[in-house]
Amino acid sequence: DAGVIQSPRHEVTEMGQEVTLRCKPISGHNSLFWYRQTMMRGLELLIYFNNNVPIDDSGMPEDRFSAKMPNASFSTLKIQPSEPRDSAVYFCASSSRANTGELFFGEGSRLTVL
Amino acid sequence: KNEVEQSPQNLTAQEGEFITINCSYSVGISALHWLQQHPGGGIVSLFMLSSGKKKHGRLIATINIQEKHSSLHITASHPRDSAVYICAVDPSGSRLTFGEGTQLTVNP
Repeated sequence: DAGVIQSPRHEVTEMGQEVTLRCKPISGHNSLFWYRQTMMRGLELLIYFNNNVPIDDSGMPEDRFSAKMPNASFSTLKIQPSEPRDSAVYFCASSSRANTGELFFGEGSRLTVL
Repeated sequence: KNEVEQSPQNLTAQEGEFITINCSYSVGISALHWLQQHPGGGIVSLFMLSSGKKKHGRLIATINIQEKHSSLHITASHPRDSAVYICAVDPSGSRLTFGEGTQLTVNP
């Protein structure tokens, strides 16, 4: 398996623009997680899905952030409108079991909002 | 006080040394994860454990549930072990809480 695949790897955009980050989990994994990593706050869970259903989105910072998982092999994290403080590395991870399974991380998407 | 505290924050060692990184947490957990993040940024899961000890190659992870403490040991350290090591705990429902990480540098 190719592992968790994220795109884009790098994105530079201007404040106010819409940003869409994409993730393809490992086939057969039924849990998917979106994390954000910044120097100030470290790694934080934004949202996680189990069997394509959002279970916990309490980490989503505000209404500008939204995440979807239309099927078992694809998820998106959207920021609209983007702000400079959204600059971070966004990681997607998947697991075969939500709270007892090993996590497999993607390479991350580095977002810079100017 | 953070729910997850790691020590030390930074660690420099000579190749071949035995290394220990500690993680203390303040909440009840169902599992604890040790993650490795290389300079390129990618994150790899090293261990997930809920009791006892696990070993993988030169890496050993232990956990004491009663004392709310875990250690990650690296035997015969090598420069390629240089990375940030992150402890994360799972209180329940998959909401991982992360430590701030330990930056390890192993010099040849």
